[in-house]
Amino acid sequence: SAVISQKPSRDICQRGTSLTIQCQVDSQVTMMFWYRQQPGQSLTLIATANQGSEATYESGFVIDKFPISRPNLTFSTLTVSNMSPEDSSIYLCSVVEESQYFGPGTRLLVL
Amino acid sequence: KQEVTQIPAALSVPEGENLVLNCSFTDSAIYNLQWFRQDPGKGLTSLLLIQSSQREQTSGRLNASLDKSSGRSTLYIAASQPGDSATYLCAVRQDFGNEKLTFGTGTRLTIIP
Repeated sequence: SAVISQKPSRDICQRGTSLTIQCQVDSQVTMMFWYRQQPGQSLTLIATANQGSEATYESGFVIDKFPISRPNLTFSTLTVSNMSPEDSSIYLCSVVEESQYFGPGTRLLVL
Repeated sequence: KQEVTQIPAALSVPEGENLVLNCSFTDSAIYNLQWFRQDPGKGLTSLLLIQSSQREQTSGRLNASLDKSSGRSTLYIAASQPGDSATYLCAVRQDFGNEKLTFGTGTRLTIIP
């Protein structure tokens, strides 16, 4: 099974600033997924990151707000830009190896 | 558009009891269904994966069933323990070529010692 790490594990940020979340996988994977879990809610897919191409965003999410990088097959970053309190969530990256595996998440609080 | 619902939203049972968590989905044309547990402040742990051609999967005290035609899955936990306290999420994958998961709303389970 894939082992996924994320940095930072948590952060408190001021509105209007940006935060970049890193995701590292212990094996090479074609696609990496970024999910958001708002307080008291279930998980919602933000985008799918393919190595060597632009990320594919789900309805309601845009590249200007959530730019994603995928420089190689084991790493990806998600940036939460121009943050507002509504962006306070847990952000999780995920990969699929038959089953779906998730990182430990990044807990973001925006003041 | 696929919608996944879990009932109940929260459940408390005494230690040692058997229990069932429910998951329903609106579009029965799924590729697979997966059950996860989420502990407070942590990520998700995969528990069981059921392919669309399967009816159930077992792992230890956990048994997950799938009735695709009726759009339902259940997670059965036998002889519950306090360590089973967590939020349980089900998620469906629609297609072989589409690895996006649609998650249910979750059931928050508390096992009372």
